[in-house]
Amino acid sequence: DTGVSQDPRHKITKRGQNVTFRCDPISEHNRLYWYRQTLGQGPEFLTYFQNEAQLEKSRLLSDRFSAERPKGSFSTLEIQRTEQGDSAMYLCASSAGPNTIYFGEGSWLTVV
Amino acid sequence: AQSVTQPDIHITVSEGASLELRCNYSYGATPYLFWYVQSPGQGLQLLLKYFSGDTLVQGIKGFEAEFKRSQSSFNLRKPSVHWSDAAEYFCAVAPHAGNNRKLIWGLGTSLAVNP
Repeated sequence: DTGVSQDPRHKITKRGQNVTFRCDPISEHNRLYWYRQTLGQGPEFLTYFQNEAQLEKSRLLSDRFSAERPKGSFSTLEIQRTEQGDSAMYLCASSAGPNTIYFGEGSWLTVV
Repeated sequence: AQSVTQPDIHITVSEGASLELRCNYSYGATPYLFWYVQSPGQGLQLLLKYFSGDTLVQGIKGFEAEFKRSQSSFNLRKPSVHWSDAAEYFCAVAPHAGNNRKLIWGLGTSLAVNP
């Protein structure tokens, strides 16, 4: 039984560059979520997919952010023209239903 | 507004000692309640959850939590702490069934364990 997998685990990028994170959910889970977490805070909801449909996006998800889940399995989160304020841990999570979500180990982004 | 309070920012206990981490929520009805643990640089692992029924819930790693409606609390306990329990602990509330994606999180309690 594999959990939620995220890649890469750490990314250091220069300001202005684009970065992409990948998430592989638990295989039988049809719901997938992206969150952002900064030090000392709980996760902030970014976006939510049910199968391949992106059903909800937070206001936190500016137009520099885009997420996809093309075949209803893995998902990617792309950040274009990164800014220092984007430095955070990006968490992916999945669930089979509406109640209990399972998180991946996160992808740390540092923008220098 | 709905909120979750973890009154203790940091707690230090000795290995083998008992532990209680406090969580209070503000919500009109019975919420869905969760405790997650996060080791440094890692994602969040679900320890336990309460939706309904028995107010004492058992979780993984020997943790348990008790829902007390009268106190709006969902405190996490462990009878004997191990050094590997050192981590950040988050209490969270899902205010509506079916809306777990927008959990309301406490600010976390950092647990240190002395040998």
